[in-house]
Amino acid sequence: NAGVTQTPKFRVLKTGQSMTLLCAQDMNHEYMYWYRQDPGMGLRLIHYSVGEGTTAKGEVPDGYNVSRLKKQNFLLGLESAAPSQTSVYFCASSLDDRGPGELFFGEGSRLTVL
Amino acid sequence: GEDVEQSLFLSVREGDSSVINCTYTDSSSTYLYWYKQEPGAGLQLLTYIFSNMDMKQDQRLTVLLNKKDKHLSLRIADTQTGDSAIYFCAGGFMDSSYKLIFGSGTRLLVRP
Repeated sequence: NAGVTQTPKFRVLKTGQSMTLLCAQDMNHEYMYWYRQDPGMGLRLIHYSVGEGTTAKGEVPDGYNVSRLKKQNFLLGLESAAPSQTSVYFCASSLDDRGPGELFFGEGSRLTVL
Repeated sequence: GEDVEQSLFLSVREGDSSVINCTYTDSSSTYLYWYKQEPGAGLQLLTYIFSNMDMKQDQRLTVLLNKKDKHLSLRIADTQTGDSAIYFCAGGFMDSSYKLIFGSGTRLLVRP
């Protein structure tokens, strides 16, 4: 029972490089989210998706793009990485948007941009 | 927008009770949540409370909600070393869709 799986778990990039983080869930959830976690700032929502083929901006979307071509996958892309994007990234999913709606989180992807 | 604030650190002795506090700004939150994050892991839902409730108890966990003061607390009775983790308070509210806004997290250290 995998739940939410993120790859890669660690990555080091140079400024200006691009990369994609992959999130996969096997729970048939409609909603998927990308958060970033920075010290003392909690989790901030980057982008989210309310279903296959949909995406929407969260609190801090600048510098990121996302795609949800398949229901089970949610990709987060950095086209030109900046040191300010050094963070731990968490993917989460939920069955729908009706509260209390538990979010299921992946283990996180630690990204360092030099 | 919603803002959720927590103290950053709490240290308790094993066997004592822990109380983690949270304040929020948006009174329209329908549910309020406590998530736990263990080292190197993602967040896991501990418990939640509906906004029209004052208290919820679940085994060693007690959640208190003071809507007037917009204050939420999590009490852990008989705290164990395995409770050492970061605890996040979150408020759920409806924007274009239902979203959670997280606090910055409280690191709980349980001393033997």
